[in-house]
Amino acid sequence: NAGVTQTPKFQVLKTGQSMTLQCAQDMNHNSMYWYRQDPGMGLRLIYYSASEGTTDKGEVPNGYNVSRLNKREFSLRLESAAPSQTSVYFCASRGSGVYGYTFGSGTRLTVV
Amino acid sequence: GENVEQHPSTLSVQEGDSAVIKCTYSDSASNYFPWYKQELGKRPQLIIDIRSNVGEKKDQRIAVTLNKTAKHFSLHITETQPEDSAVYFCALANYQLIWGAGTKLIIKP
Repeated sequence: NAGVTQTPKFQVLKTGQSMTLQCAQDMNHNSMYWYRQDPGMGLRLIYYSASEGTTDKGEVPNGYNVSRLNKREFSLRLESAAPSQTSVYFCASRGSGVYGYTFGSGTRLTVV
Repeated sequence: GENVEQHPSTLSVQEGDSAVIKCTYSDSASNYFPWYKQELGKRPQLIIDIRSNVGEKKDQRIAVTLNKTAKHFSLHITETQPEDSAVYFCALANYQLIWGAGTKLIIKP
């Protein structure tokens, strides 16, 4: 089925550990996004990639890095996890023009 | 930067009544205004959207109105049902989505 696939769905890390969240889309979309959503809050943009080979910071980039590996894949890396990074992470993609955001099912990350 | 304010933060209505959620924004360059519904533990789902050249759009029990002069847009849900209980987010877009803080809609039986 066409869409945005995120892995893993759940993850528990210890403070200081690193990990990479994976995101892939099969809709040939140019733009991809990483958001975080803290409990009871809206979504905040971490990083985005307007096209293959480009990445830009969003509202809350500190503590994260991203890689746009190819047109399909956009990964988010936590180099040294902190409890403040406990959140649900959503990847999204968007086709040409302003419209048509599609979200993945999310990764629930807990840092202890 | 661009900002969108969403009100109320919580809305409780009797089943069958109407619910209205309002968002205001500051950037007149925005030209796309989607509304998302998010059920507990799930991803945001687009329920309706409106573009800047349209004043109102309706889809069954859901409607969105846009007033570009006053810079506000609203979600209207009529004949509310228990399955409408969720958190609703407004957003606006130019090159990326700017999100409201969300409204928790509670439908009382």
